[in-house]
Formats: sequence, C-alpha cells, structure tokens
Amino acid sequence: AQTVTQSQPEMSVQEAETVTLSCTYDTSESDYYLFWYKQPPSRQMILVIRQEAYKQQNATENRFSVNFQKAAKSFSLKISDSQLGDAAMYFCAYRSKAAGNKLTFGGGTRVLVKP
Amino acid sequence: DAGVTQSPTHLIKTRGQQVTLRCSPKSGHDTVSWYQQALGQGPQFIFQYYEEEERQRGNFPDRFSGHQFPNYSSELNVNALLLGDSALYLCASSLWTAVDSGELFFGEGSRLTVL
Repeated sequence: AQTVTQSQPEMSVQEAETVTLSCTYDTSESDYYLFWYKQPPSRQMILVIRQEAYKQQNATENRFSVNFQKAAKSFSLKISDSQLGDAAMYFCAYRSKAAGNKLTFGGGTRVLVKP
Repeated sequence: DAGVTQSPTHLIKTRGQQVTLRCSPKSGHDTVSWYQQALGQGPQFIFQYYEEEERQRGNFPDRFSGHQFPNYSSELNVNALLLGDSALYLCASSLWTAVDSGELFFGEGSRLTVL
C-alpha cells in the first residue's frame, strides 16, 4: 500500500520570504500523480499544484513550485514571496493512475506566515 | 457556478445513532468521492460513486454506506456511530471521463461529533 509522509508538523515563514515543505512517499508503481492541497480554516481543500510522475520537469504555479525527485520518492513544495493568505494546512497527496479518485494523503504541515 | 456543497455543516450525535450526510457535486460533475478527516490528520478515502454505483472503497467497515442519485448528488450514511467516527467528512467531485487528470473539487465538509 502507498504511504505519504510529511515530517514537518508546522513551519513558520516571514511574509515575503520562502518556505519549503517536505513530502516523501512509498510506492512500487511507476505511473502516478502527486499533489499539494491547501486547507485554510474554511476547511475546503484547494488544489495548489500537481505533478505527473512521468514528467521530468518540475511543476510550477505562480509562487508555488515543486522539487520532484522520483528515485528518492520525494516531492517538496516551495512557496516563494509568502503572503498572509498562504497560512493554512498543506497536504501532500498521491494517486495511482489505476486508482480512480482515491487520494492517499500525508498528515499535513501547518504553515504560519508572520507579518 | 456552484461548487461542491455539503450539508449539514455541523452535527452532534450520540453513540449508536445513525447519521446521513449529503453532497451536491460541482455543476457538470458526475463522480463523487467521500473522505474522512480526523482532527489533526490527513483525509482518508472512504468510497467513490459513479452512475449510482460504488466503484471503489477504502478500508472502512460496512457501517459506512453511500448512495448516489440520478442527479449525481450523494449521501454518506454511517450506522451504529462510535466515538471514533467523530471527524470532518469531505465530499469531492470530478468528471469520470477526466479522472486521469486527477483534479478533485472539494466541499467544505460536514463536522460530525459523536458523544
């Protein structure tokens, strides 16, 4: 079974600075997707960024970028120019291409942004 | 364009009771998935419905059951409630034919407290 591990329960960053969130996963499959979701206090999960395992190029979405290391099974998220609105829980998630809509989530990292 | 809507937002039940949670998918979506998120943890996949049938199921007991209606809305039923069923229940919708793209749209969840 696949597992996703987020080793940082909480990270603090100064506004306008950069923070990197770690995620590792375990799988025997070669074709899958990885995601970062943001969950603000409103509780709604919002997709931040997505990476397809067969793509070598790291995904980027505006201030958000990932460092995908397939051999190391590592998938970190970098938030640049942090804003107060970035404060939330961030979850790393894995989905096998054969698994339909079944996402396997990590335990989450709380991001605090200091003004 | 309405997103995923869930009801009720909060509810309190006692052990042994039964509960029904409801979800309306995002307009145009035909697939609904349910997740359980215990406090301080990442969501866990319960099951997925498409064409009114359960298509995939996570590691949850038979006390957890669901239904999908012809208008694609869905219900999650939990029987014989246990204290450990206290959690945020998230509904996510997607388009079956776009399942490979991997993007789910989540609702804000129903917070269930079992006393």
